[in-house]
Amino acid sequence: ILNVEQSPQSLHVQEGDSTNFTCSFPSSNFYALHWYRWETAKSPEALFVMTLNGDEKKKGRISATLNTKEGYSYLYIKGSQPEDSATYLCAFCYSGNTGKLIFGQGTTLQVKP
Amino acid sequence: EAQVTQNPRYLITVTGKKLTVTCSQNMNHEYMSWYRQDPGLGLRQIYYSMNVEVTDKGDVPEGYKVSRKEKRNFPLILESPSPNQTSLYFCASSLGQGFKKLFFGSGTQLSVL
Repeated sequence: ILNVEQSPQSLHVQEGDSTNFTCSFPSSNFYALHWYRWETAKSPEALFVMTLNGDEKKKGRISATLNTKEGYSYLYIKGSQPEDSATYLCAFCYSGNTGKLIFGQGTTLQVKP
Repeated sequence: EAQVTQNPRYLITVTGKKLTVTCSQNMNHEYMSWYRQDPGLGLRQIYYSMNVEVTDKGDVPEGYKVSRKEKRNFPLILESPSPNQTSLYFCASSLGQGFKKLFFGSGTQLSVL
């Protein structure tokens, strides 16, 4: 059974703090790793899709890195703002079945003004 | 506007009464998928479709049916709903499997009494 784990489960930070969370996935048969942001009462929205070991992606204050050999990805938020409050989901796609996406349980971030 | 349209947003039904949740995308995406979201369990894939007339089971397909007769539509059918199918459901689509980001519908909150 393929397992994707995210840590921490939840996080409370002050406005202006920088933060990061982790997504762990199987290190074999890697195909792609997705990150999504899911705000309350909305639908998940894509942040990044990464496919190569060592990939780094950036979108504004949010960036992500990927290590496929050891099976983890980090998501960083620099200078957190209240509008960054959301649940951040990662999803793993493996080469054995590229139609399947396995999601982690998410990290819920709360940024206090 | 490029979007994935899901209907209805909310549905309350009774055990055993067949229902269909519709999903339509206007982006000419080949790949479509259904997920359910339950507290503490993350998004779990129900079924997915790589293209017209091509569907496959995800991780939790029991009690669900799908069809992909046209590229734009991917309805989710519950032939005999049960209370354990009470959940938040999302439809999603993408240009291709695995390495392309998903676009999510607005979600359907289903309650089976």
